[in-house]
Amino acid sequence: GAVVSQHPSRVICKSGTSVKIECRSLDFQATTMFWYRQFPKQSLMLMATSNEGSKATYEQGVEKDKFLINHASLTLSTLTVTSAHPEDSSFYICSAPTRLDGELFFGEGSRLTVL
Amino acid sequence: DAKTTQPPSMDCAEGRAANLPCNHSTISGNEYVYWYRQIHSQGPQYIIHGLKNNETNEMASLIITEDRKSSTLILPHATLRDTAVYYCIAKKTSYDKVIFGPGTSLSVIP
Repeated sequence: GAVVSQHPSRVICKSGTSVKIECRSLDFQATTMFWYRQFPKQSLMLMATSNEGSKATYEQGVEKDKFLINHASLTLSTLTVTSAHPEDSSFYICSAPTRLDGELFFGEGSRLTVL
Repeated sequence: DAKTTQPPSMDCAEGRAANLPCNHSTISGNEYVYWYRQIHSQGPQYIIHGLKNNETNEMASLIITEDRKSSTLILPHATLRDTAVYYCIAKKTSYDKVIFGPGTSLSVIP
């Protein structure tokens, strides 16, 4: 079946640095991908919708200059957390639909820890 | 997308059927009911979805009421590995963005 893969699964970085998380659709083309963030014991929070070849659509309250999303190909979307701070430490998850009425596949998630 | 309401938590004995309810009283005629689950520290996993007919797959069954205002996800023989947070979502297409509610935290007890 369709698979969405994220890399890295875990990353630790120093405050002030930038971190890039990749989301790949392995056996299907994804014109749309969604990025979520999840804090401990909370539900997933939608950050943005990534569209291949165009700008991402960010949810209210999400800083687009801090969370840079690029969807340059039909199989890859990237989320870059710029100038990361400890409060950006979270579990970041991407997802992609396979067809109009089908299931939404999720990546394994990427746990970011900012020291 | 229609708002869904689920109980915050449920327990189920191992080997028994787990019946997870979801209320979606404002669902529109072209919105599907989707179920996902999230095991701790993993990405959510698709379980099943349906429009108005009952559906069954290798993981679960989905029972949708005739008026489509509520549904029940049934795990026929719950195992400890089914302990997870289960999310019920109503949306028109898989390309629509998904806003997750708190879901139901299911604990399967030995």
